[in-house]
Amino acid sequence: NAGVTQTPKFRILKIGQSMTLQCAQDMNHNYMYWYRQDPGMGLKLIYYSVGAGITDKGEVPNGYNVSRSTTEDFPLRLELAAPSQTSVYFCASSLVTGELFFGEGSRLTVL
Amino acid sequence: ELKVEQNPLFLSMQEGKNYTIYCNYSTTSDRLYWYRQDPGKSLESLFVLLSNGAVKQEGRLMASLDTKARLSTLHITAAVHDLSATYFCADAKGSEKLVFGKGTKLTVNP
Repeated sequence: NAGVTQTPKFRILKIGQSMTLQCAQDMNHNYMYWYRQDPGMGLKLIYYSVGAGITDKGEVPNGYNVSRSTTEDFPLRLELAAPSQTSVYFCASSLVTGELFFGEGSRLTVL
Repeated sequence: ELKVEQNPLFLSMQEGKNYTIYCNYSTTSDRLYWYRQDPGKSLESLFVLLSNGAVKQEGRLMASLDTKARLSTLHITAAVHDLSATYFCADAKGSEKLVFGKGTKLTVNP
């Protein structure tokens, strides 16, 4: 099993550009999450989903959008990229709340 | 509001020594999670503690949960260099949203 797969692994964006971070899981997990990790700040929840068609905001949703059309996929869209969105983004999934399986991360730089 | 506080945030220790990382959380949750992150890598689940008094051990790491004190500890016994990593605790209180502490960066020196 591949687990949780994120693409791309690295990306540089210019201010104002948009992009989508892709996340796919093959474990048939209902719960999926997007976190961002900034140095020394732990992980902050951006958006999460408890199943296909259902999404909700986390702590830091501004500047991002998500959709969940299938159980497997949970893409994160960045609109009008800003330097404050420079971060490492982790997608995760779980069968039950709490024990998350993380992807390898996507390192995004906005210049 | 869920708050999870870890201390210390940085820990430098010698090989062979013992130490404890503390995780305080603000809710009445009876579940607590520990994760490990190696530099530049993703997070992996270490322990899932599901009830008051729960104790789990894996090698030189032992985690415990005291829900009355809202405290979890991660004890390191006879540290070795391979344990150098950042350790996170996280709390959910029955919701779908897991809240992480800021992490404890552990460095084990020869």
